[in-house]
Amino acid sequence: GNSVTQMEGPVTLSEEAFLTINCTYTATGYPSLFWYVQYPGEGLQLLLKATKADDKGSNKGFEATYRKETTSFHLEKGSVQVSDSAVYFCALSERALNFGKGTSLLVTP
Amino acid sequence: NAGVTQTPKFRVLKTGQSMTLLCAQDMNHEYMYWYRQDPGMGLRLIHYSVGEGTTAKGEVPDGYNVSRLKKQNFLLGLESAAPSQTSVYFCASSYGRRGGETQYFGPGTRLLVL
Repeated sequence: GNSVTQMEGPVTLSEEAFLTINCTYTATGYPSLFWYVQYPGEGLQLLLKATKADDKGSNKGFEATYRKETTSFHLEKGSVQVSDSAVYFCALSERALNFGKGTSLLVTP
Repeated sequence: NAGVTQTPKFRVLKTGQSMTLLCAQDMNHEYMYWYRQDPGMGLRLIHYSVGEGTTAKGEVPDGYNVSRLKKQNFLLGLESAAPSQTSVYFCASSYGRRGGETQYFGPGTRLLVL
C-alpha cells in the first residue's frame, strides 16, 4: 500500500539557517505529493504540492521537488524564520491522502 | 467565506458518554473527511463522504459513526466514548478526490475522554 516516511523531529534551528526535512514515499501508481503545515493550535494548511515527476512546488520560500527516481519529496528553505516554527507533514494522494507522522520544527532567534 | 469550521473546540467526556462533532464548509465541496491526530501517529482517516447522503470507512472507523445529510455538513458521532478516543479531531473538505486535490482543514476539536 501507499505510505510516507519523514524524518523524525524535533528539529531545532537558529534563525536564517538552512532547512531540509526529508520525505520518502511508497506508492503503487503515480501519486500527487504535498507538504502541509500546522501552526500551534491550528489545523493543517497546504504549504505546497507537486502533481507529477520533476515538478517543483514552492511557497513562502519553501521548495520541494518530486523525484520519482528516488521516491522523495524533500522540503527545503534557504533561510528559516522564527515564524516558521510549526509541524510539517508530508503526504501523498492517489485515492486517499496518506500522511507522514509529522516533523516538528523550532526556530530560535 | 469561513472555510471549514468545527464545533465544539474542546470537550471533556466520561467513558460511555456520547457526543457529536459538527463540521461545516461553505466552499460547496463534494468531499468531506474526518481525521484523528495522535502524538507520533500523524493523521489517520476515520470516515469520509463523497457527497450528500454517502459515507465510507477510512483507516480507523471503529467506534465512530458519521452522517452527511446536507452537503455542507459532516457529523462525527461517538456513541459510547472510550479513553482511546482521546485525540484531536480534524475535519477537511475538497472539491474532488482525484490525486492532486487540496484538502482544506478545520481548526480541530480537542476531545478528552476520562
